[in-house]
Amino acid sequence: DGGITQSPKYLFRKEGQNVTLSCEQNLNHDAMYWYRQDPGQGLRLIYYSQIVNDFQKGDIAEGYSVSREKKESFPLTVTSAQKNPTAFYLCASSTRSSPGDTQYFGPGTRLTVL
Amino acid sequence: GQQVMQIPQYQHVQEGEDFTTYCNSSTTLSNIQWYKQRPGGHPVFLIQLVKSGEVKKQKRLTFQFGEAKKNSSLHITATQTTDVGTYFCARNAGNMLTFGGGTRLMVKP
Repeated sequence: DGGITQSPKYLFRKEGQNVTLSCEQNLNHDAMYWYRQDPGQGLRLIYYSQIVNDFQKGDIAEGYSVSREKKESFPLTVTSAQKNPTAFYLCASSTRSSPGDTQYFGPGTRLTVL
Repeated sequence: GQQVMQIPQYQHVQEGEDFTTYCNSSTTLSNIQWYKQRPGGHPVFLIQLVKSGEVKKQKRLTFQFGEAKKNSSLHITATQTTDVGTYFCARNAGNMLTFGGGTRLMVKP
């Protein structure tokens, strides 16, 4: 089956620790995205990548880092510099060939920092 | 980034009543997308509108794009409990999406 996977579904970490969230897609999509969603809120873009080995900051990139070494994978690291990391993190992907393409979302990872 | 504003933020309806959410932008939109997120789930694409004045239907859902391409609406006729969730509009610029704050729909059986 084609799709986007994120693991784990729930993640608990102690304050001050870095944590990496995984995102894998087998849709052969060029573009991948990370969003943050807080309870009752919309989605805010953290980082996005339109091609391997290239990525750009979104609206709330501070305290986060990403890499795009493979087309299929776009891991997000939540660093200790992120002041309020507890949130629901969503990864998405889309084709890059035509503007306006649909974004497909993974199931998300709920991160709780204790 | 340029924002899209969505209203209302919340809506409680009795099952069988209609529901509408509105999405407004201060600038002209090239297109608008709509997504639905069930409680505890992830956003799922519903539709994309591109043309001025466009109207599209999916069963009980009717999507409209304003003539000036600055606003859009989603109307659900005769809501059902399966319609529960948050509905987001999103403006598209290249491959980036900027999401509205969403309208959370709650349906009383």
